[in-house]
Amino acid sequence: KQEVTQIPAALSVPEGENLVLNCSFTDSAIYNLQWFRQDPGKGLTSLLLIQSSQREQTSGRLNASLDKSSGRSTLYIAASQPGDSATYLCAVNVDTGKLIFGQGTTLQVKP
Amino acid sequence: DAEITQSPRHKITETGRQVTLACHQTWNHNNMFWYRQDLGHGLRLIHYSYGVQDTNKGEVSDGYSVSRSNTEDLPLTLESAASSQTSVYFCASSEVGLAASGEQYFGPGTRLTVT
Repeated sequence: KQEVTQIPAALSVPEGENLVLNCSFTDSAIYNLQWFRQDPGKGLTSLLLIQSSQREQTSGRLNASLDKSSGRSTLYIAASQPGDSATYLCAVNVDTGKLIFGQGTTLQVKP
Repeated sequence: DAEITQSPRHKITETGRQVTLACHQTWNHNNMFWYRQDLGHGLRLIHYSYGVQDTNKGEVSDGYSVSRSNTEDLPLTLESAASSQTSVYFCASSEVGLAASGEQYFGPGTRLTVT
């Protein structure tokens, strides 16, 4: 059974710091991996999607990497800002869209 | 712009009542999904559909049902609401195929309280 783990569960950093969020999964048979952002009381916003054949994707200050063989993905946030404060979720696509989610990392960026 | 809408956004109901949560997408996606989000459990898949007249059970489907009569809508019905079904419910859609990335888009959520 696929399991997705995100470490750490919570993270607090000063503004301007570069940071890495980790996501690990137990079964390498995935179609893709998606990173989401969730603000309190809100829905999920897709940040990056990495196909199983890709190694990384970039969008602005965000860079996501995927090492399928070792079951790991990282989300790198450069020059963090207070507006980046949110919960970040990773999810693996195991079967035509069925997503298995990690528990998330709650990030606080202090001014 | 294409989007997914959910209604109602907030609902309070009593134990034993039937409740239907609406989900409407204008992406023209074939795939639609319902998840629930709970503290300590994260997001879990309830039901999903790969097209009109197709429905499938997810990880936590007991007490829920869906029907897909058109591409745009996938309503979620709680047959007899229970307190354990108090949660935030999210609808999502995606498309797969040669010209589609499989990226999944989520609605704003429905907060359901069963008293």
